[in-house]
Amino acid sequence: QQQVKQSPQSLIVQKGGIPIINCAYENTAFDYFPWYQQFPGKGPALLIAIRPDVSEKKEGRFTISFNKSAKQFSLHIMDSQPGDSATYFCAAKGTGFQKLVFGTGTRLLVSP
Amino acid sequence: KAGVTQTPRYLIKTRGQQVTLSCSPISGHRSVSWYQQTPGQGLQFLFEYFSETQRNKGNFPGRFSGRQFSNSRSEMNVSTLELGDSALYLCASSLYGSTEAFFGQGTRLTVV
Repeated sequence: QQQVKQSPQSLIVQKGGIPIINCAYENTAFDYFPWYQQFPGKGPALLIAIRPDVSEKKEGRFTISFNKSAKQFSLHIMDSQPGDSATYFCAAKGTGFQKLVFGTGTRLLVSP
Repeated sequence: KAGVTQTPRYLIKTRGQQVTLSCSPISGHRSVSWYQQTPGQGLQFLFEYFSETQRNKGNFPGRFSGRQFSNSRSEMNVSTLELGDSALYLCASSLYGSTEAFFGQGTRLTVV
């Protein structure tokens, strides 16, 4: 119940393409869903986050779509660039002193 | 504003030794969490501290411990190191009551 399932494990798109990364959860107590971007040798950086009362959130080229009934959420990267090549993690968290539960990560490669 | 600072960045220890890692949170952040990142297990929650008290603990053996000081800086300690403890140890800080967690660059621990 504490798991967050993430797919695909890896993804290759051409520059300008729209990679989509999907996550699914079981625990309905989760009420905060962030996405993190991690470059090699760096810590994860908070990219964008959403709460269940919103179905979509956009920040720049990054969009989260959230489907509460299906318990799924996804990250879309518009007009992807080679600099977006990184590992992306979805996560989920409940209220209070609850841990972030991470997905297994998606390694994205954007080819020039 | 300075980000989360973790020291040291790299450590090599021998099996059986102990190690202490340090984390300075973002100024004003009073909550500090620790995570272990490995290729096989991904990002796993270790513990969270707020106001010098451990508020939440992950599923790790008692060899893993931590503490938080009155200035919100935190340390984690791993005793009797095992080869499997080799990992990137990440610290994240957040404002009390906020769900946004910001990660440091991590400490890469190698146990030989």
